[in-house]
Amino acid sequence: SAVISQKPSRDICQRGTSLTIQCQVDSQVTMMFWYRQQPGQSLTLIATANQGSEATYESGFVIDKFPISRPNLTFSTLTVSNMSPEDSSIYLCSVTGQGTNTEAFFGQGTRLTVV
Amino acid sequence: DAKTTQPPSMDCAEGRAANLPCNHSTISGNEYVYWYRQIHSQGPQYIIHGLKNNETNEMASLIITEDRKSSTLILPHATLRDTAVYYCIVRSGNTPLVFGKGTRLSVIA
Repeated sequence: SAVISQKPSRDICQRGTSLTIQCQVDSQVTMMFWYRQQPGQSLTLIATANQGSEATYESGFVIDKFPISRPNLTFSTLTVSNMSPEDSSIYLCSVTGQGTNTEAFFGQGTRLTVV
Repeated sequence: DAKTTQPPSMDCAEGRAANLPCNHSTISGNEYVYWYRQIHSQGPQYIIHGLKNNETNEMASLIITEDRKSSTLILPHATLRDTAVYYCIVRSGNTPLVFGKGTRLSVIA
């Protein structure tokens, strides 16, 4: 299994500012994903973080709002830009290890509150 | 969109088996059935997955029907710590997990 460290674990931010969330994995992984979980809702996929190239975004999510980096096989960042109260959510990093049809693992999430 | 259907909530008495159903009638031949759970305010936790054979590990058993259109997750002796939202997901390869609304399991003392 992979151990995922997400930072920060929580933050309270002013509207109009940006927050960068870090995801560090203890081993090289094939795939890294970012999810959002709005209050009382299920998880929604934001994007796939591609190593060395631009992330692949899901419908409804754009790079200008959620820029993502993945400089290597163990690290990725998600930035929530120009925040509004509607961005208040838990943001989660997920990884899949080597091999196919293997389980995905999740970080503990970053609880973001925008005021 | 999620390809699975689960009851929104279930109750289970502590110490009894919890049987959580899932329908996935449009599952493709190369898609596995995965189960995760999310305990309040934590990241989802992997439980078990399978293709067509029944699977068992230290946490649970997964029973998949012969036609693969439905499955059941079994927690053999539910405890209060098993109270969580349980997600049934079908997935092929290493594609991202697509979450539905899951089943909120409440284990009652």
